[in-house]
Amino acid sequence: DSGVTQTPKHLITATGQRVTLRCSPRSGDLSVYWYQQSLDQGLQFLIQYYNGEERAKGNILERFSAQQFPDLHSELNLSSLELGDSALYFCASSVGYSNQPQHFGDGTRLSIL
Amino acid sequence: DAKTTQPNSMESNEEEPVHLPCNHSTISGTDYIHWYRQLPSQGPEYVIHGLTSNVNNRMASLAIAEDRKSSTLILHRATLRDAAVYYCIRTQGGSEKLVFGKGTKLTVNP
Repeated sequence: DSGVTQTPKHLITATGQRVTLRCSPRSGDLSVYWYQQSLDQGLQFLIQYYNGEERAKGNILERFSAQQFPDLHSELNLSSLELGDSALYFCASSVGYSNQPQHFGDGTRLSIL
Repeated sequence: DAKTTQPNSMESNEEEPVHLPCNHSTISGTDYIHWYRQLPSQGPEYVIHGLTSNVNNRMASLAIAEDRKSSTLILHRATLRDAAVYYCIRTQGGSEKLVFGKGTKLTVNP
C-alpha cells in the first residue's frame, strides 16, 4: 500500500462529457503528480503541484486541468472527452524535493464509449 | 533529452540473481538515475535511485558505472513477485518529472 488514494477506480462515460479524478497524497507529502498511461503512448507526465501551486507541466492537453487544494488533495479535470482519452490515470506524491521517490496510487481507469 | 535505453525483455529463474542493464550515455553531471517497476494492474513502484556511487536498499542494489554512462539494477534473489516492467529513468538537473520509456519486461520462471 503506497498510501496514495485515487478515486474512482473505474469510470465509464461518453464522448463530450467531463469527469473529475481525485487523489489523496501520502500523509506528509506536499507534491502531487499526474500521469497518463495509454497503450500507444505509455506512461506520460501530465502536471505537478507543490503545496497548492503548479510546479511543472508536461504533455497535458488544454482540455485537461488540475488543482491542489489546501488539504493537499488534488483533482484532475478532463473535459470534452474524446475516445483517445481512454487510459489509466495515475497520481503520485512525494515530499517535494527533487530526486525523492514518488509513490503512486493504483490509478483510475477511464473508458470513453 | 533524458533518454535511457533498456532491453525490451529479460527472463530469470526464481531465487537466482537478476541484472537489469540501462544505458544513459548522454547523462549530465547532476542527473540522477531512478528505477521504478510496475507490476500487472498496479501503479509504478519506486525501487531505488542514485547519482554516482552504488546504492543498496531492501529491494535491490544499483550499480552505476564509473563514467555514469550505464547502470545495472540488481535483484539479488528473484521471486515470482518480481515479475514486472522495470523502468530506468534519468532526471535532469532538479526536475522531478519522471520520463518513462518502454522499460524491460522481466519474466521470472518458477
